[in-house]
Amino acid sequence: EVQLVESGGGLVQPGGSLRLSCAASGLTVSSNYMSWVRQAPGKGLEWVSVIYSGGSTYYADSVKGRFIISRDNSKNTLYLQMNSLRNEDTAVYYCARDHGRPPWDVWGKGTTVTVSS
Amino acid sequence: DIQMTQSPSSLSASVGDRVTITCQASQDISNYLNWFQQKPGKAPKLLIYDASNLKTGVPSRFSGSGSGTDFTFTINSLQPEDIATYFCQQFDNLPRTFGGGTKVEIK
Repeated sequence: EVQLVESGGGLVQPGGSLRLSCAASGLTVSSNYMSWVRQAPGKGLEWVSVIYSGGSTYYADSVKGRFIISRDNSKNTLYLQMNSLRNEDTAVYYCARDHGRPPWDVWGKGTTVTVSS
Repeated sequence: DIQMTQSPSSLSASVGDRVTITCQASQDISNYLNWFQQKPGKAPKLLIYDASNLKTGVPSRFSGSGSGTDFTFTINSLQPEDIATYFCQQFDNLPRTFGGGTKVEIK
């Protein structure tokens, strides 16, 4: 069974840092485009970042310079390092397979990040 | 960035009704469009990909059509378990962008 499991969310103060993990089973993270998507409370979906199979990375303007997407091939795990966190980063963060057949068919259950003093 | 304009933002329909949601892209995205269903507290679930392809295992009452900039998502006979929010998403370009969502309720 193909599965993504996020972890690492929690409560953090503004300006703080957090690292999210997305452990994959049934698919190889390094062979896929993998994205992070977030959803603020009561709001819609916002794409955050992607890492391509070749290693290229891209970010939404709202997180560029603060967040870093990466992967550990030996652990088959995707990461999102979040620095300089702001109140508006409060959201449920999902990892998902970006390009596949079909695309965007595999999502994790999400991990909640709350930025508050 | 490609803007995805989804409408309506909410609708109320009776069981058995046909429900239609539209999504308009701000530029040509060919058929690089997905439709998702999201229930409260759950991750989005892919229903339709490449604008009109039904994901395996998804009931056939769901369908999608369109290409270029204008897309339509249809539930042919609304069922109580279809109560959810539906999102369109383009994956032609970065940044990936989503429509604002349509909350579907039972009348």
